[in-house]
Amino acid sequence: AQSVTQLGSHVSVSEGALVLLRCNYSSSVPPYLFWYVQYPNQGLQLLLKYTSAATLVKGINGFEAEFKKSETSFHLTKPSAHMSDAAEYFCAVSDQGTGGFKTIFGAGTRLFVKA
Amino acid sequence: DGGITQSPKYLFRKEGQNVTLSCEQNLNHDAMYWYRQDPGQGLRLIYYSQIVNDFQKGDIAEGYSVSREKKESFPLTVTSAQKNPTAFYLCASRLPGQGAGEQFFGPGTRLTVL
Repeated sequence: AQSVTQLGSHVSVSEGALVLLRCNYSSSVPPYLFWYVQYPNQGLQLLLKYTSAATLVKGINGFEAEFKKSETSFHLTKPSAHMSDAAEYFCAVSDQGTGGFKTIFGAGTRLFVKA
Repeated sequence: DGGITQSPKYLFRKEGQNVTLSCEQNLNHDAMYWYRQDPGQGLRLIYYSQIVNDFQKGDIAEGYSVSREKKESFPLTVTSAQKNPTAFYLCASRLPGQGAGEQFFGPGTRLTVL
């Protein structure tokens, strides 16, 4: 079965600094990988997804992620943090179960942005 | 606008009572999902359905039940058998495209057992 591990439950950066949120995956087949963002008391929203078309994936709000097969990683980055980026971020992988496709989520990383 | 609606946003329940959480979508998606979210634990899958009149247990189905009588609707019942039901519940549907399809989420229902 597929799985994802997010390194660091909390990350704090200063406004304008680089954002780096780490995600490693485990998959026996080429994976479909996703990053979602969740603002307080809201549902999740897709930031970007990797579906093997290109290893560097650009998403919304200036975020991007690079798929590195040799490192089994899919880290999320943004060159310059904004206060509005403060949220919880989830890495996820698609998994095919007996009843169809499911999404396996990491435990999440909460991003704090300091003024 | 297409999307997923969940109601109510906040729900309070007394111990021993069953309660049903509503999830409706107008995205014409076949697949729908229910997740439970607790602080620091990410999202855990309760039930999912790939097609009308069919659904599968997820990782934490005990104490929950679902139905899928219509494509648009996937209600979740939290029964009195669920020992610790206080949590944030999220409903989602998935874009077609096999495993590459991303999920669309509703705004969530926060359930509190008094």
